[in-house]
Amino acid sequence: KQEVTQIPAALSVPEGENLVLNCSFTDSAIYNLQWFRQDPGKGLTSLLLIQSSQREQTSGRLNASLDKSSGRSTLYIAASQPGDSATYLCAVRPSTDKLIFGTGTRLQVFP
Amino acid sequence: DTEVTQTPKHLVMGMTNKKSLKCEQHMGHRAMYWYKQKAKKPPELMFVYSYEKLSINESVPSRFSPECPNSSLLNLHLHALQPEDSALYLCASSQDPGGQPQHFGDGTRLSIL
Repeated sequence: KQEVTQIPAALSVPEGENLVLNCSFTDSAIYNLQWFRQDPGKGLTSLLLIQSSQREQTSGRLNASLDKSSGRSTLYIAASQPGDSATYLCAVRPSTDKLIFGTGTRLQVFP
Repeated sequence: DTEVTQTPKHLVMGMTNKKSLKCEQHMGHRAMYWYKQKAKKPPELMFVYSYEKLSINESVPSRFSPECPNSSLLNLHLHALQPEDSALYLCASSQDPGGQPQHFGDGTRLSIL
């Protein structure tokens, strides 16, 4: 059974810091991995999608990497801002139509 | 603005009521999903519709009944719910069932009295 874990569970940092959020999964047989952010009481916003054949994806200050063989992905946030405060979720797609979500990292960036 | 629209945003109902949640997308996506999310937990998949046919039911109790009237609409009919069913219900869609990013709505916050 695929299990997805995110470390740390919570993170509080001053603005301007570069951050690394970690996601690990137990079964390397995945089609892709997706990173989302979720603001309190809201839905999920897709940030980056990495296909199983790719190593990384970049969007603005965000960079996500994927090491499928070791079951790991990292989300790098450069020069963090208070507006980055949210819960960040990774999700893997196994060989079905479903996403399996990680446990999430609650990020707070203070001025 | 989200491209997946869910209504209502909030719903309070008694255990004997019948209500429906609605989800709509106009991106031409052919896969649609229902998720349930409890507070401070990740979303859990409930149902997947692929080309308007139910393809996955994650052993959801029959008091939840999904319906896909057309390729743009997804409903979730609710009947005789329990207090533990109180949660945020999220709808999502993707271009097709595999390999594409899922786009989420803002959810319906459901409270069962």
